[in-house]
Amino acid sequence: NAGVTQTPKFQVLKTGQSMTLQCAQDMNHNSMYWYRQDPGMGLRLIYYSASEGTTDKGEVPNGYNVSRLNKREFSLRLESAAPSQTSVYFCASRRTGAYEQYFGPGTRLTVT
Amino acid sequence: AQTVTQSQPEMSVQEAETVTLSCTYDTSESDYYLFWYKQPPSRQMILVIRQEAYKQQNATENRFSVNFQKAAKSFSLKISDSQLGDAAMYFCAYRSAGTGNQFYFGTGTSLTVIP
Repeated sequence: NAGVTQTPKFQVLKTGQSMTLQCAQDMNHNSMYWYRQDPGMGLRLIYYSASEGTTDKGEVPNGYNVSRLNKREFSLRLESAAPSQTSVYFCASRRTGAYEQYFGPGTRLTVT
Repeated sequence: AQTVTQSQPEMSVQEAETVTLSCTYDTSESDYYLFWYKQPPSRQMILVIRQEAYKQQNATENRFSVNFQKAAKSFSLKISDSQLGDAAMYFCAYRSAGTGNQFYFGTGTSLTVIP
């Protein structure tokens, strides 16, 4: 099993550009999550999806959209990137009934 | 929203010694789960240990153990016989057992292990 995979690993965008971060899991988990990690701020939840076809806002959803394409895939889209979105982005998944979540390797995004 | 506080941005420990990382949380719920995650320089988040709030017994995983004080809303991580590979950022996290899906993380403690 690959677990949780994220693409790309690194990305540099100019202000105003758009892009989609991809996440996939092969563990048949129902719940999937997107976080951002900033120095001194820990991990903050952007959006999550409790099951295929549902998405909910987390703590910091502004400037982002998500799509739960199917049970395996959960993408995060930046429509018009801003320097404040420079961060490391993590995707995670969790099996229904399980306690913990499993993380992907992260995407380091820089917006100039 | 629940808050999780890690008041020690940085800690250091001598190799083979013991170190304790602190975490407090704020909640009005009675049933929840607490976690410690480790993030080494590779950036990969790794689950270290978890505690169910309904369990009085403190969780233990090899050299890692917790001191869970429910009334004080405190959840500290003790690392015994520290090894160089323990050097990492450590995050405390909370999840409700009820509504269930949101995790709340602390700001992290950077642990340095001195040879």
